[in-house]
Amino acid sequence: AQSVAQPEDQVNVAEGNPLTVKCTYSVSGNPYLFWYVQYPNRGLQFLLKYITGDNLVKGSYGFEAEFNKSQTSFHLKKPSALVSDSALYFCAMRYNFNKFYFGSGTKLNVKP
Amino acid sequence: EPEVTQTPSHQVTQMGQEVILRCVPISNHLYFYWYRQILGQKVEFLVSFYNNEISEKSEIFDDQFSVERPDGSNFTLKIRSTKLEDSAMYFCASAKDTADQPQHFGDGTRLSIL
Repeated sequence: AQSVAQPEDQVNVAEGNPLTVKCTYSVSGNPYLFWYVQYPNRGLQFLLKYITGDNLVKGSYGFEAEFNKSQTSFHLKKPSALVSDSALYFCAMRYNFNKFYFGSGTKLNVKP
Repeated sequence: EPEVTQTPSHQVTQMGQEVILRCVPISNHLYFYWYRQILGQKVEFLVSFYNNEISEKSEIFDDQFSVERPDGSNFTLKIRSTKLEDSAMYFCASAKDTADQPQHFGDGTRLSIL
């Protein structure tokens, strides 16, 4: 069965430290993976995607993600966290032609 | 920058009534979506729409739900005979010219069923 999992409900990190938000997936076939961020009372905003090619994908606001096929993971990373990065982060996967699964979301708290 | 706009921002409806949620996607986009999010939690895919027809739908999207693009600019979600558990944030999204393109989301309609 197709699924996306975000094992951590919340991640806490100090400003200036690196951050990782985890995502694993399950799909038959090649995955099409995305990361979105949601700020309070707003819709989701696209950060980055992996379709094919380099396993390290760079996106908006200094975020990057590493696709690992053997571990079926697509973790979101940033070398140096900012307080303004505090938000809800969603991993998503495209399935079939145009169907999407979203993870349960991870709340990122960056403390000054 | 073009945005996806959704109206109303908050809709309160009596249980059993019909409700229509409205969205204006970005004008040159071809792919359209509706999602549901309950209490700031998981985002659930409802339906995708391309070339004037539904391309995919989830198990949630049963006969109670329908979508329409009536005039080439609006994209609507109709919920017939609403239930208490339909209370949620409903997000509309659009993508440009392939399903791999980033989706642009509206700010949502908060639907409250009383």
